[in-house]
Amino acid sequence: DAGVTQSPTHLIKTRGQQVTLRCSPISGHKSVSWYQQVLGQGPQFIFQYYEKEERGRGNFPDRFSARQFPNYSSELNVNALLLGDSALYLCASIPSTGASEKLFFGSGTQLSVL
Amino acid sequence: GQNIDQPTEMTATEGAIVQINCTYQTSGFNGLFWYQQHAGEAPTFLSYNVLDGLEEKGRFSSFLSRSKGYSYLLLKELQMKDSASYLCASPDPPRQLTFGSGTQLTVLP
Repeated sequence: DAGVTQSPTHLIKTRGQQVTLRCSPISGHKSVSWYQQVLGQGPQFIFQYYEKEERGRGNFPDRFSARQFPNYSSELNVNALLLGDSALYLCASIPSTGASEKLFFGSGTQLSVL
Repeated sequence: GQNIDQPTEMTATEGAIVQINCTYQTSGFNGLFWYQQHAGEAPTFLSYNVLDGLEEKGRFSSFLSRSKGYSYLLLKELQMKDSASYLCASPDPPRQLTFGSGTQLTVLP
């Protein structure tokens, strides 16, 4: 079985640009969450989607947006990039939305903003 | 919201035992997770505790005390491959996993 897949693995952008990151969950999983991990810190929650609807949003500016498609894959968009957006962006797949569901993480997209 | 605290770094010797502590303050408790993350890789699930007590899984064990807001991860018979960051996390609010900053464990030969 394929795990959580994310693309691209690495990305370099300049300030002010826009970026789209993609995630495909584990087959059969209907919920996807996005996390940002700055070097030396734990992951920070950005969004959760379940059945194409937003079910949770973390403390991130409106420059961050996401969506989920009918096949449960998801995209994270970041507009007007800042240097501080440089981080590892992790996508996590969850079977449903129970609080105790463990997360299955993809390998992440390493975004560098210059 | 909540606050999760864990030590930044720990060092131990191959074959030894190490205990990584985590304290948390939550508005509502939905269990406590431990994840392992090797450099440049995704976090991988180690354990989940929702009731008080010790849960053992091979060389790794996790303990929870809800009254004290305290958990620890115990690693026995340390191996070089155990060098990684260990993340303590709790779903608070539900469906939003809040992580500590991670404890970087270095295992020395």
